[in-house]
Amino acid sequence: GQQLNQSPQSMFIQEGEDVSMNCTSSSIFNTWLWYKQEPGEGPVLLIALYKAGELTSNGRLTAQFGITRKDSFLNISASIPSDVGIYFCAGQLSGNQFYFGTGTSLTVIP
Amino acid sequence: GAGVSQSPSNKVTEKGKDVELRCDPISGHTALYWYRQSLGQGLEFLIYFQGNSAPDKSGLPSDRFSAERTGGSVSTLTIQRTQQEDSAVYLCASSFPSTGGRYGYTFGSGTRLTVV
Repeated sequence: GQQLNQSPQSMFIQEGEDVSMNCTSSSIFNTWLWYKQEPGEGPVLLIALYKAGELTSNGRLTAQFGITRKDSFLNISASIPSDVGIYFCAGQLSGNQFYFGTGTSLTVIP
Repeated sequence: GAGVSQSPSNKVTEKGKDVELRCDPISGHTALYWYRQSLGQGLEFLIYFQGNSAPDKSGLPSDRFSAERTGGSVSTLTIQRTQQEDSAVYLCASSFPSTGGRYGYTFGSGTRLTVV
């Protein structure tokens, strides 16, 4: 299957700090998604990106579809304790199947 | 239903036993997916159903794994002769086929399988 490299693997930050994470692939994707997973739950869609260079926001979250179409970035501004969870990127080549990154575990220290 | 429903939420089984995991997708979603999430790992694709088409089984790790989808709705993932390495969270997701690429999937809460 496709390999999506997601970094960092984990982050420990102070409440109020900004967060940046990214996802890279050797393949060119048509769509990038970012999901958040909280303990005991399935991933929940945060942001979807459809065009190279696209920048989309959802509240304090901003994600970008890389120009090369091989990467994507997620930023969280002014983090709060409820941002804690695992963030996954997912890329789509064609059809309906998405390939998922290995996740970034975020811990926010109050 | 309003969301993707999976059962059981937790399953502990003895090594060598068979298990069945159930997924009830969102009504009207014709595409259904099974993923496996091992501790600290990402989501590993297992199998994909789309309507009446033959399923994409390319992600099933061995012939001990099988899945079926009856009536285009409920799906059952079966693991035969379970091994300890099968311990993981099994996630089901569904989507409309034409919008899966636009809005991604909706996931269930998963079944946590522990093989002892």
